[in-house]
Amino acid sequence: DVKVTQSSRYLVKRTGEKVFLECVQDMDHENMFWYRQDPGLGLRLIYFSYDVKMKEKGDIPEGYSVSREKKERFSLILESASTNQTSMYLCASSRWTGKSNQPQHFGDGTRLSIL
Amino acid sequence: AQTVTQSQPEMSVQEAETVTLSCTYDTSESDYYLFWYKQPPSRQMILVIRQEAYKQQNATENRFSVNFQKAAKSFSLKISDSQLGDAAMYFCAYRGLGTSGSRLTFGEGTQLTVNP
Repeated sequence: DVKVTQSSRYLVKRTGEKVFLECVQDMDHENMFWYRQDPGLGLRLIYFSYDVKMKEKGDIPEGYSVSREKKERFSLILESASTNQTSMYLCASSRWTGKSNQPQHFGDGTRLSIL
Repeated sequence: AQTVTQSQPEMSVQEAETVTLSCTYDTSESDYYLFWYKQPPSRQMILVIRQEAYKQQNATENRFSVNFQKAAKSFSLKISDSQLGDAAMYFCAYRGLGTSGSRLTFGEGTQLTVNP
């Protein structure tokens, strides 16, 4: 089974702090994703990466950056945390899909609170 | 840009009965994939079922089936013989064939309650 592991299940940080959320997958997947989940809004894509050192902006990249130095690890960085970034953050990975219906596999999520 | 809409924020069903969750989407593409994911209280997102747009036959996975209406851009999920373990948030998701990096577009979610 694919295992996507997020470093923290719950995290509390203060406004202005630099926050790192880590995600590791063990299936040699090419693609990795960061979403935030808010009630009534579903999952919204922040950033994704389709290869080491490659990244693309999703729908809501403002206030975030990412790093992918190794294939199995994808980090989400909140440069200067603000209260409106309090949310559930989900990491996912998938094989390069081409024209196949490969699904994304998700971690358990990190519930981040910014005080 | 593609959009996915789930118009039912909450649904409930009696155990052993059937429930249908609605999903509509907007796209100009002719070929794409559709997914239903389940998120129980444990928060782990689990793939329930997937459908390729070029297939006319509706996908089925045990008690879960879809009603895919391509012309209407509708992709509803039917859960038969509902069980207590089916209680979860359900998300509908879209992926275009030419989508960069295989990104998914999700709907808002439907919270399903199963009553004993």
